Amino acid sequence: EAQVTQNPRYLITVTGKKLTVTCSQNMNHEYMSWYRQDPGLGLRQIYYSMNVEVTDKGDVPEGYKVSRKEKRNFPLILESPSPNQTSLYFCASSFTGGGNEQFFGPGTRLTVL
Amino acid sequence: SQQGEEDPQALSIQEGENATMNCSYKTSINNLQWYRQNSGRGLVHLILIRSNEREKHSGRLRVTLDTSKKSSSLLITASRAADTASYFCANFSGAGSYQLTFGKGTKLSVIP
Repeated sequence: EAQVTQNPRYLITVTGKKLTVTCSQNMNHEYMSWYRQDPGLGLRQIYYSMNVEVTDKGDVPEGYKVSRKEKRNFPLILESPSPNQTSLYFCASSFTGGGNEQFFGPGTRLTVL
Repeated sequence: SQQGEEDPQALSIQEGENATMNCSYKTSINNLQWYRQNSGRGLVHLILIRSNEREKHSGRLRVTLDTSKKSSSLLITASRAADTASYFCANFSGAGSYQLTFGKGTKLSVIP
């Protein structure tokens, strides 16, 4: 089944404890991206990647890191999480950027205490 | 911010009525997309309208695009209770840009 998977789905952690949210797609997509969704703010793009080893900042990159060593994986890293990073996170992928349909993962609900 | 603005923020209608939601950007519109999200779940792609198109249909969905006004509208005809969800527009900002910006969403409630 073609899909985007994220792990974990739910995470409660404490301030400053490094964490990684994994994202994987099995559709051979070139474009992958991360979003955070907050009430009243909609979805905001954190980082995106056009292809392996090519990443760029979205609207809200501060406090996040990403890497794209393989085509199928695009992990989101929070080196030192803070409470303002409590949010619902989505990973998405598409064949290429520039207007193609985005396929979304199920989301990761992160709480930073 | 290049984030889109959606109007209305919330909409409540009776089953069978039509629902219209609007989206506007401050930047130029390129390949505008509409997505649907059921409560807290991942977004699902509904329809894409390219910058050289003015109107597009898909089933009960009708999307229009006005590039001069940098705005788009989504019409859902003969709404059903199952259409209850949040709807988001999304725009790739700038020619050749790979940065995708979403609107803040319209929460639609269809009352049976």
